Amino acid sequence: AQKVTQAQTEISVVEKEDVTLDCVYETRDTTYYLFWYKQPPSGELVFLIRRNSFDEQNEISGRYSWNFQKSTSSFNFTITASQVVDSAVYFCALSEAQAGGTSYGKLTFGQGTILTVHP
Amino acid sequence: GAVVSQHPSRVICKSGTSVKIECRSLDFQATTMFWYRQFPKKSLMLMATSNEGSKATYEQGVEKDKFLINHASLTLSTLTVTSAHPEDSSFYICSAERVNEQFFGPGTRLTVL
Repeated sequence: AQKVTQAQTEISVVEKEDVTLDCVYETRDTTYYLFWYKQPPSGELVFLIRRNSFDEQNEISGRYSWNFQKSTSSFNFTITASQVVDSAVYFCALSEAQAGGTSYGKLTFGQGTILTVHP
Repeated sequence: GAVVSQHPSRVICKSGTSVKIECRSLDFQATTMFWYRQFPKKSLMLMATSNEGSKATYEQGVEKDKFLINHASLTLSTLTVTSAHPEDSSFYICSAERVNEQFFGPGTRLTVL
């Protein structure tokens, strides 16, 4: 069975601080996908990144960066120079690759981390 | 990018009534859609997988007679909460699949009085 653990329930930082959100996953599959989503107060999920299990390269997108380490089954997310607009709930998620490789299938979400950035 | 809509965005109903929530893929066809439920300050839990033209696949613990799912066309899946009770109050989110992409709807907040 798949499992995603986000051990940090809530994080509070002051604007311009860097913050790292942890994500640890469990799966028996060799091919899988990892995701990060942002959920602002409106409730709508905002897609941030998708990474497949064969691509361990770290990625940077503006102030966001992701560190994928298969050896520790972790996919951590760092926000550099945080801003008030970054305040939201962040979810890490995992899905198995489906037969034929044309589908991500159902997602297993972590518990979410509530990030509050204070001015 | 692809857009998935949900209707209504908010609904308040009396206990014992049924509520239908629609999930539409607006600019692509989706043979598979997923329904998730999110309780306040909790994670998203998959309820069921909706397949066009066939019966939905429900996750363990989800009552199929209570949460009726119909995927009658390639752009529409509906979730009907039958005989709703206050404990069914939740945020319901659908997602629709296109090849190599999955798109989430904005969610429907259901409050049962």
